[in-house]
Amino acid sequence: QKEVEQDPGPLSVPEGAIVSLNCTYSNSAFQYFMWYRQYSRKGPELLMYTYSSGNKEDGRFTAQVDKSSKYISLFIRDSQPSDSATYLCAMSYGGATNKLIFGTGTLLAVQP
Amino acid sequence: DTAVSQTPKYLVTQMGNDKSIKCEQNLGHDTMYWYKQDSKKFLKIMFSYNNKELIINETVPNRFSPKSPDKAHLNLHINSLELGDSAVYFCASSQVRRDRKAFFGQGTRLTVV
Repeated sequence: QKEVEQDPGPLSVPEGAIVSLNCTYSNSAFQYFMWYRQYSRKGPELLMYTYSSGNKEDGRFTAQVDKSSKYISLFIRDSQPSDSATYLCAMSYGGATNKLIFGTGTLLAVQP
Repeated sequence: DTAVSQTPKYLVTQMGNDKSIKCEQNLGHDTMYWYKQDSKKFLKIMFSYNNKELIINETVPNRFSPKSPDKAHLNLHINSLELGDSAVYFCASSQVRRDRKAFFGQGTRLTVV
């Protein structure tokens, strides 16, 4: 079993829809949770960053962390064609090494 | 200003050759990484350096040798390239003492033929 599970999609939605992306994980020691967006042939770009449980909002993006259920989510409101990309969740135990464990990524296509 | 830059962007080479990828960060971060992304887009850490000291080596064949001449640079040298080494290699950096945000370069697409 992988440490971080993520539905690879693809996920296709119409423009303006609310998108929900999710990851589950098995190790309760994870403390830092991130979402990265990766456009085709580009590097991952940090989108959202959360420490421990709770919600964080940034514009059209909301990240949620539920440590009791070992479940994290990214919501995108009013989705735009420019949101079409692969979304990767990532987690870290903390400590000196800061190794990021990634999910496999979800490919999102927002149709105009 | 590019925060994390790596060169070259594309690398096509024959099996058995030796090649290097270079990475530089201008963020003043204390930790740098190499990640490998396979054909299914799965990203996995290979190495991590903190203040020029190797702190993570994730069961990578010893044909891969990272070198950090200073805190802002981390290079990756690969000996005797194999077909299975074809992937996209990403350099990243973070300031571990401050937070866990890692910033990635644009990647080097390595194709071994």
